Amino acid sequence: AQSVAQPEDQVNVAEGNPLTVKCTYSVSGNPYLFWYVQYPNRGLQFLLKYITGDNLVKGSYGFEAEFNKSQTSFHLKKPSALVSDSALYFCAVCNTGNQFYFGTGTSLTVIP
Amino acid sequence: EAEVAQSPRYKITEKSQAVAFWCDPISGHATLYWYRQILGQGPELLVQFQDESVVDDSQLPKDRFSAERLKGVDSTLKIQPAELGDSAMYLCASSFGGKNTEAFFGQGTRLTVV
Repeated sequence: AQSVAQPEDQVNVAEGNPLTVKCTYSVSGNPYLFWYVQYPNRGLQFLLKYITGDNLVKGSYGFEAEFNKSQTSFHLKKPSALVSDSALYFCAVCNTGNQFYFGTGTSLTVIP
Repeated sequence: EAEVAQSPRYKITEKSQAVAFWCDPISGHATLYWYRQILGQGPELLVQFQDESVVDDSQLPKDRFSAERLKGVDSTLKIQPAELGDSAMYLCASSFGGKNTEAFFGQGTRLTVV
């Protein structure tokens, strides 16, 4: 079975500081990992994915994520946070049937 | 930019009434998903279609929920009768269906059952 865990319900960071949103995964076989962002009363927007290859994946809006197999983690990062980055972030894993399983989400607040 | 279209955006219905949601996926996307997202939680898969066929509906409460994608394009999710616990955001998503391609989500339908 596939699952992801987001250990932090809430992350606060000052504008201009680096941000990290954590995700750990549990999969049988190769992990296919995704990050999505959700703004209030909106659907989810795709940010980036890891399928294979380079452990550092670059995505939309300056976000990147680092795949770490030994720690079974896929943390989302950004070097310099913007107030507009404040949103709900979801980590997801995709199984061989192309079904996405989401974490519980992390609410990011960037403080001006 | 192509988008997944959903309607209505908001729906308020009384319990025991019927309600239906519509989704039009991105053109050419063979896979269509319906997810339910309860406030404060992550989306949970209700049903997955590949073209017009149901691939997985194991989490769909079939006593009251039904979903169809008759021509393999747009899809309808129905609840009859609605219950208070059905209040949630209903999200539709689509993808090309190739292995590990990302899913694109619509803006969702916010359902409130009173």
